[in-house]
Amino acid sequence: DAKTTQPTSMDCAEGRAANLPCNHSTISGNEYVYWYRQIHSQGPQYIIHGLKNNETNEMASLIITEDRKSSTLILPHATLRDTAVYYCIVRSAGTASKLTFGTGTRLQVTL
Amino acid sequence: NAGVTQTPKFQVLKTGQSMTLQCAQDMNHNSMYWYRQDPGMGLRLIYYSASEGTTDKGEVPNGYNVSRLNKREFSLRLESAAPSQTSVYFCASRSTGSTEAFFGQGTRLTVV
Repeated sequence: DAKTTQPTSMDCAEGRAANLPCNHSTISGNEYVYWYRQIHSQGPQYIIHGLKNNETNEMASLIITEDRKSSTLILPHATLRDTAVYYCIVRSAGTASKLTFGTGTRLQVTL
Repeated sequence: NAGVTQTPKFQVLKTGQSMTLQCAQDMNHNSMYWYRQDPGMGLRLIYYSASEGTTDKGEVPNGYNVSRLNKREFSLRLESAAPSQTSVYFCASRSTGSTEAFFGQGTRLTVV
């Protein structure tokens, strides 16, 4: 699975959009981009995933560049409860594929 | 629907003791995973099982053994615990072809 690079930490004011970048320059054609988050010491929680097209769900939007070498997770109106570590993961769609986490981005949402 | 259940939630072991961490899922998922998370770090994959009867090593398998007892259960065993294995352990499961993995709430293990 391709390696990802994320900033260590970011701050965001409550109510503003949080834009979390991820570089995955070695991504291959059959690999998806996934985002998970981990709030405090809980188990990670799935947020969103995509292959080529931009995706949106009730939690977030995912913007993937045309060359697929980077992506951005957007939380449109961040709240204090969005304070968490956000992990960007690249994984192939195979059933036996591993799910490998990096160190993620620690997002701090402030008043 | 309980999802992924891990037991115990907390455990303290003495160096050299053995124990088994239990994980069960009720979502009929094929794939199951064991991770460890050390303070301030991301999750590192210990072992995973793509289906019942199969297991494969992850990034940090040394000092651990696993058993996929049946489709529901995937246990992690420490034969001789060491202080370096003090960590929070997470189990996860995923359905074949599914995008989303579900995680348990973790087991906090301290080895003294």
